[in-house]
Amino acid sequence: GQQVMQIPQYQHVQEGEDFTTYCNSSTTLSNIQWYKQRPGGHPVFLIQLVKSGEVKKQKRLTFQFGEAKKNSSLHITATQTTDVGTYFCAGPKRSGGSYIPTFGRGTSLIVHP
Amino acid sequence: NAGVTQTPKFRVLKTGQSMTLLCAQDMNHEYMYWYRQDPGMGLRLIHYSVGEGTTAKGEVPDGYNVSRLKKQNFLLGLESAAPSQTSVYFCASSYALAAADTQYFGPGTRLTVL
Repeated sequence: GQQVMQIPQYQHVQEGEDFTTYCNSSTTLSNIQWYKQRPGGHPVFLIQLVKSGEVKKQKRLTFQFGEAKKNSSLHITATQTTDVGTYFCAGPKRSGGSYIPTFGRGTSLIVHP
Repeated sequence: NAGVTQTPKFRVLKTGQSMTLLCAQDMNHEYMYWYRQDPGMGLRLIHYSVGEGTTAKGEVPDGYNVSRLKKQNFLLGLESAAPSQTSVYFCASSYALAAADTQYFGPGTRLTVL
């Protein structure tokens, strides 16, 4: 099964409202990445978090990595219609002697004007 | 730079037919990946390559084969397509291992198997 769990699956908001998606892992992650996929498009890298308790901001987007490095969140302040899309988190999963990226199932954000 | 390109963009197959999806990148990346995306399932890794001439299995490799004869190209083959392989396929590449590096995705191939 997938290593990283992401909730909620869908989120409807009115334009201007805030939005948060959560990513949880049963094991400690060395890092976590976030991607955005617009409808009909491909995933685009947003950010990578590495340090325990790390917080990074990109304009209205705030990314957090938990102290135990088992969870992460993406918060969007005052959503706009351009924020519509599916947001994925991705963490490394051990496979043989290496690590492979494992994606959460994503949170689809729908913004109503 | 074109980044990561995929051909074809769309394809319809009948059960049992074979096909090859081509991925090309012009960023001189060592690592390349093939994913499939199904509704509500996120992205699942099929196979990946850590360099020219190497391939490895991902989470869902059954029914697929891959080859990386040239550094810039990564081919995904379906020898005998099944309806369960109806999906959107994304190729990605990264400079270092994607578990710790940015992945750049191609535009995707939408495959329907009847």
